Amino acid sequence: GAGVSQSPRYKVAKRGQDVALRCDPISGHVSLFWYQQALGQGPEFLTYFQNEAQLDKSGLPSDRFFAERPEGSVSTLKIQRTQQEDSAVYLCASSTRDRFGTDTQYFGPGTRLTVL
Amino acid sequence: DQQVKQNSPSLSVQEGRISILNCDYTNSMFDYFLWYKKYPAEGPTFLISISSIKDKNEDGRFTVFLNKSAKHLSLHIVPSQPGDSAVYFCAASAAPFGNEKLTFGTGTRLTIIP
Repeated sequence: GAGVSQSPRYKVAKRGQDVALRCDPISGHVSLFWYQQALGQGPEFLTYFQNEAQLDKSGLPSDRFFAERPEGSVSTLKIQRTQQEDSAVYLCASSTRDRFGTDTQYFGPGTRLTVL
Repeated sequence: DQQVKQNSPSLSVQEGRISILNCDYTNSMFDYFLWYKKYPAEGPTFLISISSIKDKNEDGRFTVFLNKSAKHLSLHIVPSQPGDSAVYFCAASAAPFGNEKLTFGTGTRLTIIP
């Protein structure tokens, strides 16, 4: 597709369940980012991949959060034993260096996670 | 602590007039700045960016101004159109041309009044 896609768009989980959120970046984009956006706030960085290498995971809030990008394309964000404070929109963005030498992150529509 | 601040949660502007959205930052390591626009139930859409080596960048109706000494940037939209009604996020990166995590402000909701 032309843009970043994410699935599912909406996910309702019971507290304690595990969830997996998928991101399909723009074809050929080297970099992939995950952000978490709470209601009324701006997106907050979770983790960053360059190809299959996870270069920065400093934003992951706990060891219940895990992300992977095994083949350098599709990425999955997994949250184990979900808690109510995990309720948020999870945004994925991809980027690659353009001919001007800049990297612009293009975002997907997000997955809205509600934990009951 | 909030490293990127958008102090106006909302702004209303008459159609055809200029909209000015403001953003302040505290981290002097930030080197690249972006504005994103967000409609409900959609992801942020990139609008315009500026490197710290510039003080102005223009793209059609959108102009971004950067004042490094004041750690302040602003987005000007002129003329404002009803389709510009959205939430606008300011974002900053410590990498010279991006390619690093973005730090976002909390957003300003812009409403264009027909």
